[in-house]
Amino acid sequence: QSALTQPASVSGSPGQSITISCTGTNSDVGAYNYVSWYQQHPDKAPKLMIYDVGNRPSGVSNRFSGSKSGNTASLTISGLQAEDEADYYCSSYARGPTLVFGGGTKLTVL
Amino acid sequence: DVQLLESGGGLVQPGGSLRLSCAASGFTFSSYAMSWVRQAPGKGLEWVSAISGASGNTYYAGSIKGRFTISRDNSKSTLYLQMNSLRAEDTAVYYCAKAPGDGNFLYNWFDPWGQGTLVTVSS
Repeated sequence: QSALTQPASVSGSPGQSITISCTGTNSDVGAYNYVSWYQQHPDKAPKLMIYDVGNRPSGVSNRFSGSKSGNTASLTISGLQAEDEADYYCSSYARGPTLVFGGGTKLTVL
Repeated sequence: DVQLLESGGGLVQPGGSLRLSCAASGFTFSSYAMSWVRQAPGKGLEWVSAISGASGNTYYAGSIKGRFTISRDNSKSTLYLQMNSLRAEDTAVYYCAKAPGDGNFLYNWFDPWGQGTLVTVSS
């Protein structure tokens, strides 16, 4: 199972909105509403930000939202803040069963 | 508070074995599936294996199937990963992570994750 495709980097200024895409296939992202997103700061463990495409765990800011269209899922961060600077990974359930992750996107807050 | 504490990492020669442990606290361990996810230095996340809570159903990534074995001791609230025939490409930080329930299927998200333990495979 190949990794999901994410942009290597995205950037935005404080207060702006950014979107990170996560492209898979009709065997993973396109087949199930089981996409999750994780935030990882340097030398820290990943933190769940979104599960099942668009659900936010308790405690995660409502500035984070998720969506999906076809084989591509997206994470949108609105009102960008300095603390949002981190690596972001998408993940999807896939036939097998198995789980596949994206290669990660480095978010820089300018 | 849910806490997951991995241990057992270290330096091992190619072809060697290592057993990782993940001590869990703050929740009823037997009622939740668990998973291992790894991250090679400077690279992305890779799911490794998962196990259900009570029934012990196991799931493995193709890259480690036949070499790694996941298990758990619910009486000790501990998750394990036995790694055999280790290769240089197995070098990574290994995280354990808690699933949201204990269904007899592979969960697709995990929360929280432990801080990880580093495994280095090198001669």
